[in-house]
Amino acid sequence: DTGVSQDPRHKITKRGQNVTFRCDPISEHNRLYWYRQTLGQGPEFLTYFQNEAQLEKSRLLSDRFSAERPKGSFSTLEIQRTEQGDSAMYLCASSQPGLAEQETQYFGPGTRLLVL
Amino acid sequence: QKEVEQDPGPLSVPEGAIVSLNCTYSNSAFQYFMWYRQYSRKGPELLMYTYSSGNKEDGRFTAQVDKSSKYISLFIRDSQPSDSATYLCAMKETSYDKVIFGPGTSLSVIP
Repeated sequence: DTGVSQDPRHKITKRGQNVTFRCDPISEHNRLYWYRQTLGQGPEFLTYFQNEAQLEKSRLLSDRFSAERPKGSFSTLEIQRTEQGDSAMYLCASSQPGLAEQETQYFGPGTRLLVL
Repeated sequence: QKEVEQDPGPLSVPEGAIVSLNCTYSNSAFQYFMWYRQYSRKGPELLMYTYSSGNKEDGRFTAQVDKSSKYISLFIRDSQPSDSATYLCAMKETSYDKVIFGPGTSLSVIP
């Protein structure tokens, strides 16, 4: 399977614990995006990388959230001191710049986080 | 007012019906318009991608964009039970920009 992969698919944690999610984009894609989706809502943008550079962060990304893409390939999203409000699906997407009309973000299956 | 509005449904139709899904938006800078399909507990899957105004057809799916009215639509012909999913409209200002999603419409196609 050459699509976007995410690990783990599910995570249950207790409030106050730290969690880390991993995203492996499609291999030739140099842009990588993180989104968060809560029940009954569409995904909301969190942050985006072009290669290893983090180019934009949403105000949704509080100080407890940090994302990295150290070698411009896979990315990690860490949440420190988790809160119940962090419970959501965390989605990763990747894209490859090309002709403007053709740049498409392809989404992974998501990591579903439940904070107890 | 949210940037992208979409009737959440749920929408229930019989198999074979024509389905019309719609979104309105407020940001006139949006130029790229998409429809994603999302099955339960899965990531969104791109269905249609349109640049600027106009129509685009792909099999049973037709996307329409009216930038003057800030209104986009997705039509599904001959709907099938496998079309049962949540449909998310989405848009962005530039080709490489973050995607802004609507809240999604839940569709059920009844055999």
